[in-house]
Amino acid sequence: DTAVSQTPKYLVTQMGNDKSIKCEQNLGHDTMYWYKQDSKKFLKIMFSYNNKELIINETVPNRFSPKSPDKAHLNLHINSLELGDSAVYFCASSLTGAEAFFGQGTRLTVV
Amino acid sequence: DQQVKQNSPSLSVQEGRISILNCDYTNSMFDYFLWYKKYPAEGPTFLISISSIKDKNEDGRFTVFLNKSAKHLSLHIVPSQPGDSAVYFCAARGSFGNEKLTFGTGTRLTIIP
Repeated sequence: DTAVSQTPKYLVTQMGNDKSIKCEQNLGHDTMYWYKQDSKKFLKIMFSYNNKELIINETVPNRFSPKSPDKAHLNLHINSLELGDSAVYFCASSLTGAEAFFGQGTRLTVV
Repeated sequence: DQQVKQNSPSLSVQEGRISILNCDYTNSMFDYFLWYKKYPAEGPTFLISISSIKDKNEDGRFTVFLNKSAKHLSLHIVPSQPGDSAVYFCAARGSFGNEKLTFGTGTRLTIIP
């Protein structure tokens, strides 16, 4: 009964492929996020959704497309993967105004 | 432009002593600050937070201090325990309605038994 769960935990794929990372939260939170931690360990927000509506989009290439079918899910689809997309991607959720809870991360390696 | 900075990438402290982790920020619009702890292969875990209307918040062994004029906050852990060994991230957030967290680059804390 993990609070914020994302799958898969590890993903190795070739350049040019399309892949998805799924995220689900069972905390009843109204806001969900995707963060990216790059090789220099910077943890930066990519997207934020509140009640299925996109509220933050931080200059992310349009190859990245988040999809929120309902409040409890925020999936990340990535088209035409590039080497530079290799990173750890974290999903998170929060109640508005409160601290964010993070998933365990998905380590994406593009070869 | 790194708006939240943790200038010490690593820190080693003996078990039982005080650990002090520092964080500086540049954006005066930040009004809520958080510390997260991260173990390898896990997501960051919320530790403690402080609003800009306070200068101190305490939770058990963890205390966060905020100096708004210096745009500086610190996390004190006392006494330090081996299980505290982890990477600690400072994060900051703007006014209500902008929920985006801006993170520092982290400080790896090692507690020496």
